[in-house]
Amino acid sequence: AQSVTQLDSHVSVSEGTPVLLRCNYSSSYSPSLFWYVQHPNKGLQLLLKYTSAATLVKGINGFEAEFKKSETSFHLTKPSAHMSDAAEYFCVVSDLAGTASKLTFGTGTRLQVTL
Amino acid sequence: ETGVTQTPRHLVMGMTNKKSLKCEQHLGHNAMYWYKQSAKKPLELMFVYNFKEQTENNSVPSRFSPECPNSSHLFLHLHTLQPEDSALYLCASSPSGTDTQYFGPGTRLTVL
Repeated sequence: AQSVTQLDSHVSVSEGTPVLLRCNYSSSYSPSLFWYVQHPNKGLQLLLKYTSAATLVKGINGFEAEFKKSETSFHLTKPSAHMSDAAEYFCVVSDLAGTASKLTFGTGTRLQVTL
Repeated sequence: ETGVTQTPRHLVMGMTNKKSLKCEQHLGHNAMYWYKQSAKKPLELMFVYNFKEQTENNSVPSRFSPECPNSSHLFLHLHTLQPEDSALYLCASSPSGTDTQYFGPGTRLTVL
């Protein structure tokens, strides 16, 4: 069975400072890992995806995540936070069962960005 | 826009009503999904359809009845719901054979 743990339910940063959202995963094989973002009253938007091609994955809006197998981690970072980054972020691990995928979601981290 | 649309965006219904949620994807995908998002809980997968066939029912109560008439449309028929069914219902789709899912904006359901 696979699982995801998001270590912080809430993170607050000042605009212009770095963002770090932490995620640890558990999987019995080489997983695909994702970060999705959800802005208020919106659906989930894909930020980035890791599929084993490269351990450092670059996503949209300046976000990136590094896959560390030895630490079973997939933390999301951004060098400089913007007010528009305030949202809920979900770390997700995938199990491709047949031709449809099964995603396991973390409980989410709410990012607050202050002036 | 992600190419996945959901209607209605908001729905308020009584416990004895019957209503339906609609999802449509314009991405040419063959797999479609229903999720339930409740406050302070992880997203819960409800149903999976692949090439119009249901491949997963995650122990969902029978008061939720999905329908997938073709690969572009997915419905969730609701009847005799309970107040604890109030949540954001999200639809997603993916290309067959890949694991990247694309989500719609969701329907915010309130059961009185």
